[in-house]
Order: sequence, then C-alpha cells, then structure tokens
Amino acid sequence: GENVEQHPSTLSVQEGDSAVIKCTYSDSASNYFPWYKQELGKGPQLIIDIRSNVGEKKDQRIAVTLNKTAKHFSLHITETQPEDSAVYFCAASGVAQFYFGTGTSLTVIP
Amino acid sequence: GAGVSQSPSNKVTEKGKDVELRCDPISGHTALYWYRQSLGQGLEFLIYFQGNSAPDKSGLPSDRFSAERTGGSVSTLTIQRTQQEDSAVYLCASSLVPTGSYNSPLHFGNGTRLTVT
Repeated sequence: GENVEQHPSTLSVQEGDSAVIKCTYSDSASNYFPWYKQELGKGPQLIIDIRSNVGEKKDQRIAVTLNKTAKHFSLHITETQPEDSAVYFCAASGVAQFYFGTGTSLTVIP
Repeated sequence: GAGVSQSPSNKVTEKGKDVELRCDPISGHTALYWYRQSLGQGLEFLIYFQGNSAPDKSGLPSDRFSAERTGGSVSTLTIQRTQQEDSAVYLCASSLVPTGSYNSPLHFGNGTRLTVT
C-alpha cells in the first residue's frame, strides 16, 4: 500500500519568513495530493491541492510543488503570519483511499 | 453552506460501555470516511463508504468497532465495550464522487472527542 512520509515534524519560523514542509509517497498510482491545516480543537481544513498532471499550484501565500519522478511534493508558505500556526498534513490519494502524513506542527513567532 | 456535522462534540464514558458517534456529511457527498486521531498524532483510517458499494472496513482496529451508513447519508460509528485506549478524537469526512481519474477533496467535521474513564 501507499506510504506517505512528512518532514519536519515541528517547524518554528519568524513572522514574515517562509516555511517549507516536504512529503514523499511510495505508490506511483497516487495522483491527487491535498494539504490540510488543523487548528486546535478543529477538524483538518483543505488549504490547497494538486493533481499529478500539474507541477506547481499557487494560491496567494501558499504554493505546492510536485515532482512525480522523485515522488515528492512540498508545501510552501511565504510571508508567514501568526495565524499560520497550526498542524499541517499532507496526503496522497488514488481514486479511493487517502493516505496521510504524520503532520507538521508549525509555529510562527511574532 | 453546511459542512460536515458530528455529534456529540465531546463524550465521556465509563470503560465497558458502548458509545455511538454520529456524522452528517455534506449533502450530495457520496463518499464518507471515519478517522481516529490520538492526542498529538496523525490520522488513522478506520472505514470508508462509497455510494452503495460494500464499505472498506480494513482500518477498524477490532471487532468492537463497527459503522453503518443509512440511506447513503448519515453514518454512525459504534464502539462496544469501550477501553481506555479508545480515547481519541474521531473525525468524519465526506467527499464528492471522484472527478474522472482524480479523487475529490475530503471535507472534515470537527470531530467527537471521546474520553473513556
């Protein structure tokens, strides 16, 4: 089955700096890669996603890149703000199951 | 519009009791997933329903866990004879049918925090 690894597990950045979270996957059949943000006491919320036919996608301060050959994808957050502090999960999916990374706890220091 | 609704938001029960957790998915979403999240941990897959197909129960940790989805909408996760290790947040998510060969994003509820004393 699919195996998704996520690094780092914790990340602290100064407000205004960039943050990068990386994930690798094992199953070449996975073709859809969403990223979720989870705030304390809430369920994960989709922040951006990418399909395998695209190499990069951007939405304001958030971008995701995908390297199918190397089987890795990354989340980039620019100009970080304190409200970006949360746990971020990557996931890989075929047409049914979703396989999640173990999460990255991001702290943005004001 | 309305998101995924889970109830109760919190549940405290005594060891050995049965509990039922409810999930109301987004209207029109045919896929429904249950996940378990222990404190500070990732998402553990439990069960997946897609339309009228047989559910994928491969993630259920023991036969004390079961789930059903009535009328293709509301789902109930039942845990019988609860144990302390069952304490966790139980998350439900729903999604639309896959678009072509690509899956559709999951929309999560805020979960039910289960505490077994």
